[in-house]
Amino acid sequence: QITLKESGPTLVKPTQTLTLTCTFSGFSLSTSGVGVGWIRQPPGKALEWLALIYWDDDKRYSPSLKSRLTITKDTSKNQVVLTMTNMDPVDTATYYCAHTSQWLGQNFDYWGQGTLVTVSS
Amino acid sequence: NFMLTQPHSVSESPGKTVTISCTRSSGSIASNYVQWYQQRPGSAPTTVIYEDNQRPSGVPDRFSGSIDSSSNSASLTISGLKTEDEADYYCQSYDSSNVVFGGGTKLTVL
Repeated sequence: QITLKESGPTLVKPTQTLTLTCTFSGFSLSTSGVGVGWIRQPPGKALEWLALIYWDDDKRYSPSLKSRLTITKDTSKNQVVLTMTNMDPVDTATYYCAHTSQWLGQNFDYWGQGTLVTVSS
Repeated sequence: NFMLTQPHSVSESPGKTVTISCTRSSGSIASNYVQWYQQRPGSAPTTVIYEDNQRPSGVPDRFSGSIDSSSNSASLTISGLKTEDEADYYCQSYDSSNVVFGGGTKLTVL
């Protein structure tokens, strides 16, 4: 059974750096083809893909946010960490992590429950 | 980078059939698989179609997906609409570097 759960601060101040952790179980990020992605959703708005890390440490970033994002993995801890610098109120959103596979057409087939991050002074 | 464009909203009556489109702005729709997600208020998205036309186990066969190279678009069709189908639906695809979500379509079943 695959599960993912996001954790991190619920409130950050403008200009601060956000660090979110995705802790997962039921799969290994050392298995060929497996990836974990981060997706966010501002209140009442659409889903937006942020970043993706694969089993072989290949990393992909949203072009519009690339300069602010870093994604890393700790295979031994079953965790993926996303950092986003220079936070702004427009970054207020629910942040999700999700499991994907290169062998399943890049489908995000398992999602965490999401964590709401508010950016405010 | 490419974009995926969906209608903002669609509505239809219970028992009817509705189709939601997803048009790719550049690059061929057939080059990379398309997924469709259903999202109910307060919940994470769930896959209803993956790899253009595949249904995950547990998704009823009322849901189907297709792609049309002539219009460079993908479609999600829901037949025999039920009130429980009322939700937001998102298409998603990718290329060699990026993952892209459509802007979402709010389906109202009235």
